[in-house]
Amino acid sequence: EVQLVQSGAEVKKPGESLKISCKGSGYSFANYWITWVRQMPGKGLEWMVRIDPSDSYTDYSPSFQGHVTISADKSIGAAYLQWSRLKASDTAIYYCARHTAAAGSIDYWGQGTLVTVSS
Amino acid sequence: QSALTQPASVSGSPGQSITISCTGTSSDVGGYNYVSWYQQHPGKAPKVMIYDVSNRPSGVSNRFSGSKSGNTASLTISGLQAEDEANYYCSSYTSNSTLLFGGGTKLTVL
Repeated sequence: EVQLVQSGAEVKKPGESLKISCKGSGYSFANYWITWVRQMPGKGLEWMVRIDPSDSYTDYSPSFQGHVTISADKSIGAAYLQWSRLKASDTAIYYCARHTAAAGSIDYWGQGTLVTVSS
Repeated sequence: QSALTQPASVSGSPGQSITISCTGTSSDVGGYNYVSWYQQHPGKAPKVMIYDVSNRPSGVSNRFSGSKSGNTASLTISGLQAEDEANYYCSSYTSNSTLLFGGGTKLTVL
Protein backbone atom coordinates (compact mmCIF):
# COMPACT_ATOMS: atom_id res chain seq x y z
CA GLU A 1 0.00 0.00 0.00
CA VAL A 2 1.40 3.39 -1.00
CA GLN A 3 1.65 5.75 1.96
CA LEU A 4 3.06 9.24 2.46
CA VAL A 5 3.52 10.04 6.14
CA GLN A 6 4.34 13.61 7.09
CA SER A 7 5.99 15.02 10.20
CA GLY A 8 3.89 16.54 12.97
CA ALA A 9 2.54 20.02 13.54
CA GLU A 10 4.98 22.84 14.23
CA VAL A 11 4.70 26.15 16.06
CA LYS A 12 7.45 28.62 15.24
CA LYS A 13 8.28 32.30 15.64
CA PRO A 14 8.86 34.68 12.72
CA GLY A 15 12.46 34.52 11.56
CA GLU A 16 13.01 30.95 12.74
CA SER A 17 13.97 28.10 10.43
CA LEU A 18 12.00 24.91 9.85
CA LYS A 19 12.29 21.62 7.96
CA ILE A 20 9.29 19.31 7.55
CA SER A 21 9.37 15.82 6.14
CA CYS A 22 7.38 13.38 4.03
CA LYS A 23 8.26 9.67 4.13
CA GLY A 24 7.07 7.40 1.36
CA SER A 25 6.50 3.67 1.69
CA GLY A 26 4.93 0.85 -0.26
CA TYR A 27 6.61 1.79 -3.54
CA SER A 28 10.00 2.54 -5.08
CA PHE A 29 10.53 6.06 -3.73
CA ALA A 30 13.20 7.07 -6.25
CA ASN A 31 10.94 6.41 -9.23
CA TYR A 32 8.19 8.96 -8.47
CA TRP A 33 8.36 12.73 -8.19
CA ILE A 34 7.21 14.29 -4.90
CA THR A 35 5.37 17.60 -4.80
CA TRP A 36 4.55 20.06 -2.00
CA VAL A 37 1.26 21.96 -1.84
CA ARG A 38 0.25 24.83 0.48
CA GLN A 39 -3.23 25.43 1.86
CA MET A 40 -3.60 28.62 3.83
CA PRO A 41 -6.44 28.82 6.38
CA GLY A 42 -9.80 28.69 4.63
CA LYS A 43 -8.19 28.89 1.18
CA GLY A 44 -7.54 26.64 -1.81
CA LEU A 45 -4.60 24.51 -2.87
CA GLU A 46 -1.40 26.12 -4.20
CA TRP A 47 1.37 24.18 -5.88
CA MET A 48 4.81 25.06 -4.53
CA VAL A 49 7.58 22.81 -5.79
CA ARG A 50 8.41 19.26 -6.82
CA ILE A 51 11.47 17.01 -6.85
CA ASP A 52 12.62 13.93 -8.71
CA PRO A 53 14.14 11.82 -5.89
CA SER A 54 16.31 9.85 -8.32
CA ASP A 55 18.54 12.85 -9.09
CA SER A 56 17.10 15.69 -6.97
CA TYR A 57 16.08 17.69 -10.04
CA THR A 58 13.54 20.31 -9.01
CA ASP A 59 10.79 22.52 -10.44
CA TYR A 60 9.67 25.56 -8.43
CA SER A 61 6.61 27.76 -8.67
CA PRO A 62 7.78 31.36 -9.25
CA SER A 63 5.62 32.31 -6.25
CA PHE A 64 7.75 30.21 -3.90
CA GLN A 65 11.18 30.21 -5.54
CA GLY A 66 13.73 31.65 -3.14
CA HIS A 67 11.54 31.29 -0.07
CA VAL A 68 11.49 27.52 0.37
CA THR A 69 13.89 24.71 -0.45
CA ILE A 70 12.93 21.16 -1.39
CA SER A 71 15.24 18.18 -0.97
CA ALA A 72 15.05 14.41 -0.91
CA ASP A 73 17.00 11.46 0.46
CA LYS A 74 16.20 8.45 -1.68
CA SER A 75 18.20 6.16 0.61
CA ILE A 76 15.60 6.54 3.33
CA GLY A 77 12.60 7.40 1.11
CA ALA A 78 12.02 10.91 2.42
CA ALA A 79 11.41 14.35 0.97
CA TYR A 80 11.76 17.64 2.82
CA LEU A 81 10.55 21.21 2.65
CA GLN A 82 12.48 23.86 4.51
CA TRP A 83 12.42 27.55 5.33
CA SER A 84 15.40 29.59 6.55
CA ARG A 85 13.33 32.52 7.80
CA LEU A 86 9.66 31.96 8.47
CA LYS A 87 7.04 34.69 8.19
CA ALA A 88 3.59 34.84 9.76
CA SER A 89 2.16 34.45 6.26
CA ASP A 90 3.71 30.97 6.08
CA THR A 91 1.03 29.75 8.49
CA ALA A 92 -0.72 26.99 6.56
CA ILE A 93 -1.15 23.27 6.10
CA TYR A 94 1.52 21.80 3.85
CA TYR A 95 0.79 18.59 1.97
CA CYS A 96 3.21 16.36 0.15
CA ALA A 97 1.92 14.29 -2.73
CA ARG A 98 3.25 11.71 -5.15
CA HIS A 99 3.18 12.15 -8.90
CA THR A 100 2.18 9.33 -11.23
CA ALA A 101 4.91 7.49 -13.12
CA ALA A 102 4.47 9.87 -16.06
CA ALA A 103 5.11 12.72 -13.58
CA GLY A 104 2.20 14.82 -14.78
CA SER A 105 -0.61 14.05 -12.35
CA ILE A 106 -0.80 13.40 -8.60
CA ASP A 107 -2.06 10.05 -7.37
CA TYR A 108 -1.40 10.00 -3.60
CA TRP A 109 -1.41 12.61 -0.83
CA GLY A 110 0.14 12.81 2.61
CA GLN A 111 -1.95 13.70 5.66
CA GLY A 112 -0.64 17.28 5.87
CA THR A 113 1.56 19.20 8.31
CA LEU A 114 0.16 22.28 10.06
CA VAL A 115 2.74 25.03 10.40
CA THR A 116 1.85 27.94 12.66
CA VAL A 117 4.11 30.99 12.69
CA SER A 118 3.31 33.46 15.43
CA SER A 119 5.17 35.75 17.75
CA GLN B 1 0.35 31.84 -14.01
CA SER B 2 -3.30 32.29 -13.05
CA ALA B 3 -5.20 29.50 -11.40
CA LEU B 4 -7.41 27.26 -13.47
CA THR B 5 -11.01 28.49 -13.52
CA GLN B 6 -13.65 26.53 -11.62
CA PRO B 7 -17.16 27.58 -10.59
CA ALA B 8 -17.19 28.66 -6.96
CA SER B 9 -20.15 26.45 -6.14
CA VAL B 10 -22.47 23.85 -7.59
CA SER B 11 -25.40 22.03 -6.04
CA GLY B 12 -27.64 19.09 -6.74
CA SER B 13 -30.18 16.83 -5.11
CA PRO B 14 -29.49 13.24 -4.08
CA GLY B 15 -29.57 10.94 -7.08
CA GLN B 16 -28.95 13.71 -9.58
CA SER B 17 -25.82 14.25 -11.67
CA ILE B 18 -23.63 17.33 -11.58
CA THR B 19 -20.64 18.48 -13.60
CA ILE B 20 -17.79 20.72 -12.44
CA SER B 21 -15.72 22.45 -15.10
CA CYS B 22 -12.05 23.38 -15.00
CA THR B 23 -10.90 25.82 -17.68
CA GLY B 24 -7.31 26.57 -18.55
CA THR B 25 -5.31 27.27 -21.69
CA SER B 26 -3.49 25.39 -24.41
CA SER B 27 -0.37 25.61 -22.19
CA ASP B 28 -1.93 23.49 -19.47
CA VAL B 29 -5.31 21.72 -19.63
CA GLY B 30 -5.47 21.78 -23.41
CA GLY B 31 -1.89 20.74 -23.96
CA TYR B 32 -1.56 17.69 -21.74
CA ASN B 33 -3.62 14.74 -20.55
CA TYR B 34 -2.47 15.38 -16.99
CA VAL B 35 -5.60 16.75 -15.35
CA SER B 36 -6.49 15.48 -11.89
CA TRP B 37 -9.49 16.01 -9.64
CA TYR B 38 -9.45 16.00 -5.84
CA GLN B 39 -12.14 15.82 -3.20
CA GLN B 40 -11.50 17.54 0.10
CA HIS B 41 -13.77 17.34 3.11
CA PRO B 42 -13.32 20.00 5.82
CA GLY B 43 -10.30 19.32 7.96
CA LYS B 44 -9.14 16.42 5.79
CA ALA B 45 -6.39 15.91 3.25
CA PRO B 46 -7.34 15.97 -0.44
CA LYS B 47 -8.24 12.64 -2.02
CA VAL B 48 -7.57 11.82 -5.67
CA MET B 49 -10.81 11.06 -7.51
CA ILE B 50 -9.54 11.22 -11.10
CA TYR B 51 -6.04 11.44 -12.59
CA ASP B 52 -4.76 11.74 -16.16
CA VAL B 53 -8.12 13.25 -17.25
CA SER B 54 -10.26 10.15 -16.87
CA ASN B 55 -8.51 7.47 -14.81
CA ARG B 56 -10.11 6.48 -11.54
CA PRO B 57 -7.89 5.19 -8.70
CA SER B 58 -8.87 1.86 -7.22
CA GLY B 59 -11.43 2.32 -4.48
CA VAL B 60 -13.02 5.42 -6.00
CA SER B 61 -16.69 4.99 -6.90
CA ASN B 62 -17.53 4.67 -10.58
CA ARG B 63 -20.06 7.45 -10.01
CA PHE B 64 -17.08 9.78 -10.55
CA SER B 65 -15.87 10.32 -14.10
CA GLY B 66 -13.59 12.78 -15.87
CA SER B 67 -13.31 14.11 -19.40
CA LYS B 68 -11.66 16.89 -21.39
CA SER B 69 -12.55 18.95 -24.43
CA GLY B 70 -10.09 21.53 -25.65
CA ASN B 71 -8.95 23.71 -22.75
CA THR B 72 -11.74 22.60 -20.41
CA ALA B 73 -11.78 19.50 -18.24
CA SER B 74 -14.87 18.25 -16.44
CA LEU B 75 -15.69 16.12 -13.43
CA THR B 76 -19.10 14.46 -13.43
CA ILE B 77 -20.64 12.92 -10.34
CA SER B 78 -23.68 10.78 -11.00
CA GLY B 79 -26.17 9.51 -8.43
CA LEU B 80 -25.28 12.26 -5.96
CA GLN B 81 -24.99 11.16 -2.36
CA ALA B 82 -24.82 13.18 0.84
CA GLU B 83 -21.20 12.15 1.41
CA ASP B 84 -20.21 13.75 -1.92
CA GLU B 85 -20.67 17.18 -0.34
CA ALA B 86 -17.13 18.59 -0.24
CA ASN B 87 -14.74 20.94 -1.99
CA TYR B 88 -13.41 19.78 -5.34
CA TYR B 89 -10.19 20.96 -6.98
CA CYS B 90 -8.69 20.31 -10.38
CA SER B 91 -5.02 20.48 -11.32
CA SER B 92 -3.06 20.36 -14.54
CA TYR B 93 0.55 19.98 -15.58
CA THR B 94 1.81 23.01 -17.52
CA SER B 95 4.28 23.81 -20.28
CA ASN B 96 6.56 25.40 -17.65
CA SER B 97 6.94 21.99 -15.96
CA THR B 98 4.84 23.23 -13.06
CA LEU B 99 1.46 22.23 -11.67
CA LEU B 100 -1.53 24.56 -11.59
CA PHE B 101 -4.60 24.18 -9.37
CA GLY B 102 -8.13 25.44 -9.84
CA GLY B 103 -9.63 27.75 -7.25
CA GLY B 104 -11.94 25.03 -5.96
CA THR B 105 -15.66 24.30 -6.17
CA LYS B 106 -17.92 23.78 -3.18
CA LEU B 107 -20.43 21.04 -3.89
CA THR B 108 -23.64 21.20 -1.87
CA VAL B 109 -25.99 18.23 -1.83
CA LEU B 110 -29.45 19.67 -1.24
